[in-house]
Amino acid sequence: LAKTTQPISMDSYEGQEVNITCSHNNIATNDYITWYQQFPSQGPRFIIQGYKTKVTNEVASLFIPADRKSSTLTLPRVSLSDTAVYYCLVGPAENGQNFVFGPGTRLSVLP
Amino acid sequence: NAGVMQNPRHLVRRRGQEARLRCSPMKGHSHVYWYRQLPEEGLKFMVYLQKENIIDESGMPKERFSAEFPKEGPSILRIQQVVRGDSAAYFCASSPDVNEQFFGPGTRLTVL
Repeated sequence: LAKTTQPISMDSYEGQEVNITCSHNNIATNDYITWYQQFPSQGPRFIIQGYKTKVTNEVASLFIPADRKSSTLTLPRVSLSDTAVYYCLVGPAENGQNFVFGPGTRLSVLP
Repeated sequence: NAGVMQNPRHLVRRRGQEARLRCSPMKGHSHVYWYRQLPEEGLKFMVYLQKENIIDESGMPKERFSAEFPKEGPSILRIQQVVRGDSAAYFCASSPDVNEQFFGPGTRLTVL
C-alpha cells in the first residue's frame, strides 16, 4: 500500500479556508485517495474519496493533480467543530484492502 | 440504519485477564475490520473478516489475540492474558461490497 505524507499539525481561524496536502509518490494505478476525519474519543469518519481531478461534496473538496502524486483536501470556512485529526489514505477500491493510517494532520481551529 | 456498534465502550481489565470486544456491523455489511489505536497515533490494522472467515490477519499479534465473525451475532476480538501494552482504543469498521469503511465508536481498553 502506498505510503502517505501529511503535515503533522495545522492551525487556522474560524471562517478561513483550510487546505491540507498529502503526498503519495508511489500511488498505484488502481489506488483511490480517501480522507477521514477523527474527533477525540471517536472512530474515523469518511469525508471524501477521489481518483483524479476534483471531487466536491457538502463537506469538502478534493483536488488531485494529473500525476496523482499528491492530493489536497479543502475545508471551506472552517468552524471550531472542524478541529480534528485528518487522515489521508490511498488504496484500491476493492474490498479487503485494509487502510494504512499514518499519524494524520491535527487541525486546530481557533476563534 | 444504525451505524457500527461496539461494546463495551470502556473496558478495564487486570493483567492476565481476558478481554472480549464486540462489534455489530451496519445492516447489510458482511466485511469487518479491526484496528488498534495508541494515543497520539494513527490506527493500525489488525484483522479483516467476512462472515465466518478470517481473510487477513497480518496485523494481529500471533499470540493471545483472536477474532471471529460468526454467521449469527457480532464480531468478537478476544485478547487473552492481557498485558499493560494492550491498553489502547480498538476500532471496528464494516463495509458493504466496496471498500467504504464505516467505523464504530471504539472500545477503550485499560489494563491495570
